[in-house]
Amino acid sequence: EVQLLESGGGFVQPGGSLTLSCAASGFTFSHYGMNWVRQGPGKGLEWVSGIGGSGDRTYFADSVKGRFTISRDNSKNTLYLHMNSLRAEDTAVYYCAKDEHYGHFADWGQGTPVTVSS
Amino acid sequence: QSVLTQPPSVSAAPGQKVTISCSGSSSNIGNNYVLWYQKLPGTAPKLLIYDNNKRPSGIPDRFSGSKSGTSATLGITGLQTGDEADYYCGTWDSSLSGVLFGGGTKLIVL
Repeated sequence: EVQLLESGGGFVQPGGSLTLSCAASGFTFSHYGMNWVRQGPGKGLEWVSGIGGSGDRTYFADSVKGRFTISRDNSKNTLYLHMNSLRAEDTAVYYCAKDEHYGHFADWGQGTPVTVSS
Repeated sequence: QSVLTQPPSVSAAPGQKVTISCSGSSSNIGNNYVLWYQKLPGTAPKLLIYDNNKRPSGIPDRFSGSKSGTSATLGITGLQTGDEADYYCGTWDSSLSGVLFGGGTKLIVL
């Protein structure tokens, strides 16, 4: 059974930094791309970033480009999202998702909340 | 404003049928597979349809998907009160090199 467990969310001031983690189990982690998707309060789903199975390819939404980086440690079966220069509009629940291909997200974590506020 | 356009809400009575549209362009829906997700408050999104019209194991055949050109449609028959949720279309955008979601459609079962 695929399991994805996010952690690292919390409260941070504008301009601050935070790193989210997603621990994966139940599948061969290095064989799959992984993504981060968020949902702000009262807002819709927004894709944030994705990374290929080997970590060689990364993709970002324009809203986070230059501020967020994505990485993975295949030896630890863990995905990361490093968030810098955080803004109020980054406040959201952040989900990690296993990518079958090009946005086909069959498995999701339970989400971790991030609040950016002064 | 999302690149993929969905109606903000749709409604129908229990037992009836409803369709939710998703309109895009050639760089996204027109040349890539469409996914549909169901989102309930406080829970992770759930994949309902992949590859335009395929259902994952465990998704009842009351849910169906179709695609024509740069638009896609989710159909739900035999509506149940438990179907009340937000529904999102999604796809890859070849120009943006990223995943797009529609703005979401709230389904109200009257």
